[in-house]
Amino acid sequence: GQQVMQIPQYQHVQEGEDFTTYCNSSTTLSNIQWYKQRPGGHPVFLIQLVKSGEVKKQKRLTFQFGEAKKNSSLHITATQTTDVGTYFCAGSSGAGSYQLTFGKGTKLSVIP
Amino acid sequence: ETGVTQSPTHLIKTRGQQVTLRCSSQSGHNTVSWYQQALGQGPQFIFQYYREEENGRGNFPPRFSGLQFPNYSSELNVNALELDDSALYLCASSLKTPAFEKLFFGSGTQLSVL
Repeated sequence: GQQVMQIPQYQHVQEGEDFTTYCNSSTTLSNIQWYKQRPGGHPVFLIQLVKSGEVKKQKRLTFQFGEAKKNSSLHITATQTTDVGTYFCAGSSGAGSYQLTFGKGTKLSVIP
Repeated sequence: ETGVTQSPTHLIKTRGQQVTLRCSSQSGHNTVSWYQQALGQGPQFIFQYYREEENGRGNFPPRFSGLQFPNYSSELNVNALELDDSALYLCASSLKTPAFEKLFFGSGTQLSVL
């Protein structure tokens, strides 16, 4: 079945440093979504990427979808303490039922 | 605040018992998905319901079953509970459109099986 892998599993950064998490799928994806889960909270949708090579920005966050639609990345510039949480990518191969396969997530800690 | 509500928030059961978890979808959403999230892991897809019918199922045994009602609320039932069923159970609603199905998650039910 479809597998989605994320690296790194954990990342500790000093406030103000940049952060990147990478996502790789075993199969070609129709789209990929990113979610953020704060400690003790539930996943909250950040963005969806659909097109090959797509790049989207949300303030300090930059999301990329690979040309082959099998990988993606999330980059945060100048991290803040409010960025703390676990970032998940979730992919779908589309067609019929919309099953999202989540990666294990990257847990980000920001040291003030 | 997503508008997706789940009950109860916490539950403690013993091995072999049965449990029912409930979810109210966000207004206007006709699709509900259930996910199991073990500690330190990503959410694992259990199944999805669209207009009261199962519309996809993940790799979970038949003792995990569900229902969706005409008002699009939903239930997840788990029979013969096992210790490994201890997890956060998340319900997510979405508007079923082909191109875009952003999921709105509820706060989850934390199930502990002793």
